[in-house]
Amino acid sequence: DAGVIQSPRHEVTEMGQEVTLRCKLISGHNSLFWYRQTMMRGLELLIYFNNNVPIDDSGMPEDRFSAKMPNASFSTLKIQPSEPRDSAVYFCASRQAETQYFGPGTRLLVL
Amino acid sequence: EDQVTQSPEALRLQEGESSSLNCSYTVSGLRGLFWYRQDPGKGPEFLFTLYSAGEEKEKERLKATLTKKESFLHITAPKPEDSATYLCAVQAGGSSNTGKLIFGQGTTLQVKP
Repeated sequence: DAGVIQSPRHEVTEMGQEVTLRCKLISGHNSLFWYRQTMMRGLELLIYFNNNVPIDDSGMPEDRFSAKMPNASFSTLKIQPSEPRDSAVYFCASRQAETQYFGPGTRLLVL
Repeated sequence: EDQVTQSPEALRLQEGESSSLNCSYTVSGLRGLFWYRQDPGKGPEFLFTLYSAGEEKEKERLKATLTKKESFLHITAPKPEDSATYLCAVQAGGSSNTGKLIFGQGTTLQVKP
């Protein structure tokens, strides 16, 4: 099993640009979680989906952030427009039973 | 408010020097407590899930225990390859929670040869 796949692994962009992060779940898992990790705030849940339906998006910082799950195995997290304070590592995780399995993350730097 | 606090923030050990990491939590009905290991530049790697007070889980040199207020991750005779950040997370119970984890800030462990 390839595990959770995220792309790109690194992204450098300028303030105001649109950023799209991608995540492919582990086959057979039906829940997907998007997290953001910073030194100051640690790991924070942004949004999660169950069977392609968004369940809790209370962690999404503001309207600039949006997430979609167009099918059972794939999700995107979009930031538009991006700001320097969005710089962080973004992880997605897929869940089997009660356990979440994390991807390798996307390191985002907004200049 | 559900909260997780880990201590110490950082821990330096000599190879073979056993120690414990602490995870204190307040949560409205514990559904599960999770331990993860995170290496630099990588995503958290699942280690253990504990569900009820008194439960213990072991994997190689690691042993996790759970009480009603805290969990310990005991590291016996650590090796340099055990160096990593160890994260603790809790999932609250109740019908309103369908998987959300609340993470602590982590303990960064360094094991010197």
